[in-house]
Amino acid sequence: NAGVMQNPRHLVRRRGQEARLRCSPVKGHSHVYWYRQLPEEGLKFMVYLQKENIIDESGMPKERFSAEFPKEGPSILRIQQVVRGDSAAYFCASSQVTTGEGTEAFFGQGTRLTVV
Amino acid sequence: AQTVTQSQPEMSVQEAETVTLSCTYDTSESNYYLFWYKQPPSRQMILVIRQEAYKQQNATENRFSVNFQKAAKSFSLKISDSQLGDTAMYFCAFVPMNRDDKIIFGKGTRLHILP
Repeated sequence: NAGVMQNPRHLVRRRGQEARLRCSPVKGHSHVYWYRQLPEEGLKFMVYLQKENIIDESGMPKERFSAEFPKEGPSILRIQQVVRGDSAAYFCASSQVTTGEGTEAFFGQGTRLTVV
Repeated sequence: AQTVTQSQPEMSVQEAETVTLSCTYDTSESNYYLFWYKQPPSRQMILVIRQEAYKQQNATENRFSVNFQKAAKSFSLKISDSQLGDTAMYFCAFVPMNRDDKIIFGKGTRLHILP
């Protein structure tokens, strides 16, 4: 479970700056999911990626947010021109195959983004 | 659309007592997985227990067990002999089976185990 690495753990950005959140999945996992957690809320799905492909981005805001999972390297969640409402904890999870096949999704410890 | 509802925002019980956390869900799927995840103050999401919808037998993992009622779309978590380390947020979650799909989470129940 400790295999999903997210960095940074904490990120402070001023309004209008860009935030880049990184997620290295468990070795051998090709499925990555990003979730956002607001204070006292559950995890809201944002985007589901496989290597080099976006499978489902139905939970991601249409503007300012983008995600990628390149053939080599970590998955990146990018938020441009951040606003105060983007302040949240962002979690990444990875699985070997799709979670719909019953495989466990392993979560990272999250990145807490604070916009000031 | 699938939804997961946890009706108890917060609960407190004494150490060593048994506590039950409620979860209901709504779906038109016939095959799916249900999960309970634990999130302690460290923020790490930890899988506690998993149930396959096609299995009638309730899943158990040591002190943790579920009461799965498929017709009622109910999936409660029972923690026996509760310990201080069980203090955490608990999230009920759902994912359709055999599809590329995401896990859908409830809003969580904050559980306090009191010494």
